[in-house]
Amino acid sequence: DVKVTQSSRYLVKRTGEKVFLECVQDMDHENMFWYRQDPGLGLRLIYFSYDVKMKEKGDIPEGYSVSREKKERFSLILESASTNQTSMYLCASSPGRRGFRNTEAFFGQGTRLTVV
Amino acid sequence: AQSVSQHNHHVILSEAASLELGCNYSYGGTVNLFWYVQYPGQHLQLLLKYFSGDPLVKGIKGFEAEFIKSKFSFNLRKPSVQWSDTAEYFCAVNVNSGGYQKVTFGTGTKLQVIP
Repeated sequence: DVKVTQSSRYLVKRTGEKVFLECVQDMDHENMFWYRQDPGLGLRLIYFSYDVKMKEKGDIPEGYSVSREKKERFSLILESASTNQTSMYLCASSPGRRGFRNTEAFFGQGTRLTVV
Repeated sequence: AQSVSQHNHHVILSEAASLELGCNYSYGGTVNLFWYVQYPGQHLQLLLKYFSGDPLVKGIKGFEAEFIKSKFSFNLRKPSVQWSDTAEYFCAVNVNSGGYQKVTFGTGTKLQVIP
């Protein structure tokens, strides 16, 4: 089974802190994604990566950055956490090279981040 | 940019009732289509997917969906729901955007099944 593991289920951070959310996948997938999930808004794509050291902005990248130093690990960074970043964060991975179709994404269990 | 619309935000059904959840997308090119389900307290799981071929696809737990290209729709159906189907359902579209895969989700539909 594909496994996507997020390092924390729950996090509470203070406004202004730098926050790291870690995600690891064990299936050698090329593509990795970070989404945030908010009630009534569905899942919105923050950043994605199709290869090591490669990253692309999603639909809502402001206030976030990412790092992909190794193929299996994709980190989401909140440079200076704010209360409007309180949300559920979901990491996903999928196989296939850039442009490859007909693949599905596999999700981690999510990290519920609260910024106080 | 592509978008996905789910018109039903909250659906309440009695057990054994039939279910249909609407999903429409806006993208003129080739798409892959998905329905994901999130049971309370659990992670997102794939319910079914459409890549090509037969537009009627069957998924797990008796769910099916029909891709109607002319209507840009991919509605989810189940003839008889069970209490255990209580969950949030997300429609998603995967397109090839600028050479990259990009998966866009709808806003989700919360289904509550009453015993």
